[in-house]
Amino acid sequence: EVQLVESGGGWVQPGGSLRLSCAASGFSFRSYWMSWVRQAPGKGLEWVANIRQDGSLTFYVDSVKGRFTGSRDNAKNSLYLQMDSLRAEDTAVYYCARGSGSDFGLYFDQWGQGTLVTVSS
Amino acid sequence: EIVMTQSPATLSVSPGARATLSCRASQSIDSNLAWYQQKPGQAPRLLIYGASTRATGIPARFSGTGSGTEFTLTITSLQSEDFAVYYCQQYHFWYTFGQGTKLEIK
Repeated sequence: EVQLVESGGGWVQPGGSLRLSCAASGFSFRSYWMSWVRQAPGKGLEWVANIRQDGSLTFYVDSVKGRFTGSRDNAKNSLYLQMDSLRAEDTAVYYCARGSGSDFGLYFDQWGQGTLVTVSS
Repeated sequence: EIVMTQSPATLSVSPGARATLSCRASQSIDSNLAWYQQKPGQAPRLLIYGASTRATGIPARFSGTGSGTEFTLTITSLQSEDFAVYYCQQYHFWYTFGQGTKLEIK
């Protein structure tokens, strides 16, 4: 059974940092693109980042470029999102998701339960 | 940015009836479209990818059609567990989601 379990969310002041983690099991983690998708309270879904299988390539939505860094450790079956210079508008549930499809376009076929990040003074 | 527009925002349908949800892309996305279902307090679940291919374990009452800019998700014989919010997502050029359609019990 595929499992994705996020952790690391919490409350942080504007300008602060948080590091999210996602522990994967039940599939060959190193074979898949992995992604982060977020959902602000009461709002829709927003793609945040993609991390290639070997971690050598990452892509981000414009609003987080230069502030968020995605990475992975295939030996630990783990995905990470380092979030710096956090803003109030980054407040959301952050989901770890498995990407399927191709290098040119991914849909998200497995999701974690999400971890809530609250940015507030 | 490709904008995805879903309609209606809310759809009221009786159990056992058919629901038709629409998703329009601001430019052609070929068939690079996925549909997700999300229930309160839960993560999204993939229903359809490639505009019309059901994901593993998705019942046959869910079907997707369309290509280019116009897409439809149809749910026949609505069950109680189908009442949820549905999102479309394009993966033709980067990734954007529609704002969602809430399917509620009439």
